[in-house]
Amino acid sequence: ELKVEQNPLFLSMQEGKNYTIYCNYSTTSDRLYWYRQDPGKSLESLFVLLSNGAVKQEGRLMASLDTKARLSTLHITAAVHDLSATYFCAVFLFEETSGSRLTFGEGTQLTVNP
Amino acid sequence: EAGVAQSPRYKIIEKRQSVAFWCNPISGHATLYWYQQILGQGPKLLIQFQNNGVVDDSQLPKDRFSAERLKGVDSTLKIQPAKLEDSAVYLCASSLIGPRDTEAFFGQGTRLTVV
Repeated sequence: ELKVEQNPLFLSMQEGKNYTIYCNYSTTSDRLYWYRQDPGKSLESLFVLLSNGAVKQEGRLMASLDTKARLSTLHITAAVHDLSATYFCAVFLFEETSGSRLTFGEGTQLTVNP
Repeated sequence: EAGVAQSPRYKIIEKRQSVAFWCNPISGHATLYWYQQILGQGPKLLIQFQNNGVVDDSQLPKDRFSAERLKGVDSTLKIQPAKLEDSAVYLCASSLIGPRDTEAFFGQGTRLTVV
């Protein structure tokens, strides 16, 4: 069974600081997604990483994927308050017997303080 | 482009009652998912449809949960009878073909409280 683990689960940081959220998964996959969720809201797609070594950047967020290490990172540069939200990684797994499934991590609740 | 529509947004029921949720995916999206998100946790897949056929329902508690997508478009998820532990947000998502080809887009969710 695929397990997806994020750390940290809770992150409180000051504006202007840098930090990285980690997403480890237990089974080989070459496809990973990062989502953002604001309180009471649905999930917003941030990044789709489709191959080993993939790196994508949008504003102050940069995501990368290392399929050999089964690790993805979400790096935050010079954090601002607007980035406060919960961030989820989700790993795609395709199996011949059961088809495809997207499995989510527990989420990292990020709070950026002024 | 209209997003994934869900209703109702909120529902409060007593345990042992029944409840149904409705989802209208993005036009043209063949794949539809229902996820359960318990407070403080990541979404967990309940059931996945490809057009009107079930692709994966291995994590659906079939003794009380059911879902259908009769015409390959809208879908309903039903809980009968509800238990306290069913309190969660139920998210519907859709994608063009499947997560292998494109990402899933999520609706606003239905927040269910069972008392």
